[in-house]
Amino acid sequence: DTAVSQTPKYLVTQMGNDKSIKCEQNLGHDTMYWYKQDSKKFLKIMFSYNNKELIINETVPNRFSPKSPDKAHLNLHINSLELGDSAVYFCASSSEPGLAGTDTQYFGPGTRLTVL
Amino acid sequence: DAKTTQPNSMESNEEEPVHLPCNHSTISGTDYIHWYRQLPSQGPEYVIHGLTSNVNNRMASLAIAEDRKSSTLILHRATLRDAAVYYCILIDYSGYALNFGKGTSLLVTP
Repeated sequence: DTAVSQTPKYLVTQMGNDKSIKCEQNLGHDTMYWYKQDSKKFLKIMFSYNNKELIINETVPNRFSPKSPDKAHLNLHINSLELGDSAVYFCASSSEPGLAGTDTQYFGPGTRLTVL
Repeated sequence: DAKTTQPNSMESNEEEPVHLPCNHSTISGTDYIHWYRQLPSQGPEYVIHGLTSNVNNRMASLAIAEDRKSSTLILHRATLRDAAVYYCILIDYSGYALNFGKGTSLLVTP
């Protein structure tokens, strides 16, 4: 069974469109995250939710909005897509609210978003 | 977040040990040292973590300097499947944000 799954794996779209990426974890974790990995391979955190509540919101444009219908799901909605949004987006989960030093994160396989 | 410095790339022969270094001279007393790796076209996966003492698990060993300003991830027998980017990250007991640097790209040759 896949622990953290994301759909779609690839997403190609035009500038200005609105798109969503879905994430689900079956690990029973309370905390979920979204990361962005740019073309230089830097991986940066965007959001973190604990029990459906937003606990981290890094400097991310308002066009990005996470939505957590339940603690097993954290979806990422992106409005008015721009060329610079092209990247690989990773979802992750952990059992602690924040890494608490000793916790580990489980990452999904990633969604490669290409904005044309 | 306290910063870490790693070599951009390293190369190893298959079935030989690999020592991946990480410098973290500004580490604080509450920072844990975590290692993750990212195989090609996959999400990062946890490898190992430690605070002060050396740690071993089924994947690797972590050697932490006495002053904690550096650490070394040790893969005892590299396999082709170990070719990945290895990230060294510091996380404190209350840390939420987790940003990965560029890591070390490990090439394993037969």
